[in-house]
Amino acid sequence: QLQLQESGPGLVKPSETLSLTCSVSGGSISSSGYLWGWIRQPPGKGLEWIGNIYHSGSSNYKPALKSRVTISVDTSKNQFSLKLSSVTAADTAVYYCARRSFQLGWVYWGQGTLVTVSS
Amino acid sequence: EIVMTQSPAILSVSPGERATLSCRASQSISSNVAWYQQKPGQAPRLLMYGASTRATGIPARFSGSGSGTEFTLTISSLQSEDFAVYYCQQYNNWPPEETFGQGTKLEIK
Repeated sequence: QLQLQESGPGLVKPSETLSLTCSVSGGSISSSGYLWGWIRQPPGKGLEWIGNIYHSGSSNYKPALKSRVTISVDTSKNQFSLKLSSVTAADTAVYYCARRSFQLGWVYWGQGTLVTVSS
Repeated sequence: EIVMTQSPAILSVSPGERATLSCRASQSISSNVAWYQQKPGQAPRLLMYGASTRATGIPARFSGSGSGTEFTLTISSLQSEDFAVYYCQQYNNWPPEETFGQGTKLEIK
């Protein structure tokens, strides 16, 4: 059974860079046919797609976040990562990593990790 | 950006009754729509993809329909475990962006 686990600091200062890693077990991140992505949810609010990446490294980002977001993949560690720069309080959210197949939805999700932006 | 608009924001229904949730896309997205259920403190769970295909393990009381810009999720006979927040999501091929609706909270009447 595929499992995803987010890790990273739970508190980030304003203007700094948020960095999270998603560790994948029970399957290879190098397998073709899948997208690996990040989705966030501010407290009490809805879901927001941040971006996704293929195992090849090709990525897509939400236009409004594109200038601040980088998603990368490390196939040797079976992990992929999120970096979000110049954070503000509006970036406070539960961040989920997830996997989806082409033409399917996001089937596998991590448990989510709360990241708070505060000084 | 393709905007997904869900209605209503809150739906109050009695157990055993039918619930109908709607989702409208700001432009045609074929059938590239998924539906998710989210309970408090949990990650979302995929219910439907391709607008009308149930994901693995999803009960038959859940059904989806629609194409183009109008989509519907129907729960035929509500069980206690179905009261949750539901999100639609588009994953159209071009532009290669994804967006979620703002959610519909299904509550017990």
